Amino acid sequence: HSALTQPASVSGSPGQSITISCTGTSSDIGGYNYVSWYQQHPGRAPKLLISEVSDRPSGVSNRFSGSKSGNTASLTISGLQADDEADYYCSSFRSGTLYVFGSGTTVNVL
Amino acid sequence: QVTLKESGPAQVKPTQTLTLTCTFSGFSLNTHGTRVSWIRQPPGKALEWLARIDWDDDKFYNTSLKTRLTISKDTSKNQVVLTMTNMDPVDTATYYCARSHNYEPLFDSWGQGTLVTVSS
Repeated sequence: HSALTQPASVSGSPGQSITISCTGTSSDIGGYNYVSWYQQHPGRAPKLLISEVSDRPSGVSNRFSGSKSGNTASLTISGLQADDEADYYCSSFRSGTLYVFGSGTTVNVL
Repeated sequence: QVTLKESGPAQVKPTQTLTLTCTFSGFSLNTHGTRVSWIRQPPGKALEWLARIDWDDDKFYNTSLKTRLTISKDTSKNQVVLTMTNMDPVDTATYYCARSHNYEPLFDSWGQGTLVTVSS
């Protein structure tokens, strides 16, 4: 089964805003509001950032926000900080498969 | 505090069966809506969901790997076990267990992961 499509890398300077896209199909992102986003620092386990498209779990900075339009979900990081340098993965419920992850995006803070 | 920890062999040989154990605390797999999944990540690559077991013992598998996977739970020990048969070098990865709760299709707590290398 194919992964959701993310850009390989996104870069930004401290203080800037960046957006990571995650493109799927009507069988996953477009069909359900079950998109989640995870942050993974090198050598660490993923951490849940966003649930159900745009909800932030307790303790997650409000600099992280999520949205969705059609078959594409997006994660925006505002006020970019050095500690935001990490890999980011989207995930969606997919009919027939249950879960599908994105290909992953490396965020570089210049 | 919710914690999960994976354990198992660091290395297996091709064709062998891998058995991994996820030991958790801070929640009960008897609670309605609670689920534990296994997810893996080959070095430098993306995450891949493998299998899930629910509070009511329902089990779900990645369709591409279904014939090789078995997931089970021991609620008295707070453990979830994954077996994967016929291991191949392409199965080299960090294997994570992760919790979902409130019926949500996401993973809100993760273990630290365990690296399994498949090599003769």
